[in-house]
Amino acid sequence: GAVVSQHPSRVICKSGTSVKIECRSLDFQATTMFWYRQFPKQSLMLMATSNEGSKATYEQGVEKDKFLINHASLTLSTLTVTSAHPEDSSFYICSATSSGTITDTQYFGPGTRLTVL
Amino acid sequence: ELKVEQNPLFLSMQEGKNYTIYCNYSTTSDRLYWYRQDPGKSLESLFVLLSNGAVKQEGRLMASLDTKARLSTLHITAAVHDLSATYFCAVAPMEYGNKLVFGAGTILRVKS
Repeated sequence: GAVVSQHPSRVICKSGTSVKIECRSLDFQATTMFWYRQFPKQSLMLMATSNEGSKATYEQGVEKDKFLINHASLTLSTLTVTSAHPEDSSFYICSATSSGTITDTQYFGPGTRLTVL
Repeated sequence: ELKVEQNPLFLSMQEGKNYTIYCNYSTTSDRLYWYRQDPGKSLESLFVLLSNGAVKQEGRLMASLDTKARLSTLHITAAVHDLSATYFCAVAPMEYGNKLVFGAGTILRVKS
């Protein structure tokens, strides 16, 4: 089946620094990638939708200047948390979908746990 | 407002018992997904339900979809400890394109 990887799996950073998270589709071309965040014991909340070669579409309430998303190729999307603060600590999960499949199933990455001190 | 409601939110059950998790949604959707999440891990796809009346089974889990009632169920048969996890349903509303809207999740604990 389709495999999506994320890197890093865990990151701890100081408040005020920026952190980049990579999401890669390993064996298929992902025309669309999604970024979610999940707080402990809560559901997944969609942050933004990223289409290759175009600007990301952010959900209401998500600061586009704080969460920079780049989808430069059909296999890679990056999420950069700029000037991170403790309240940004969360589990960030990406997913990828390949257009043309009947179900347009989203394949999820393993997640990145961000801790901001 | 779009709502995806799961119940129960927490379920503690004995091994060998049967139970059903319900997922109600408030808008038209032609696709419904069930996922499993283990602590600290990402989501594992369990079922994709694409049409009214769809029923899928894998091992001790069976999922069904009633698009007219806007209801999906995840039935657990003769639960075993390994099924302990959080289960999420998600819908793909027609007007949202490929976006998924998740329910709150059901934490399942199966006691030996």
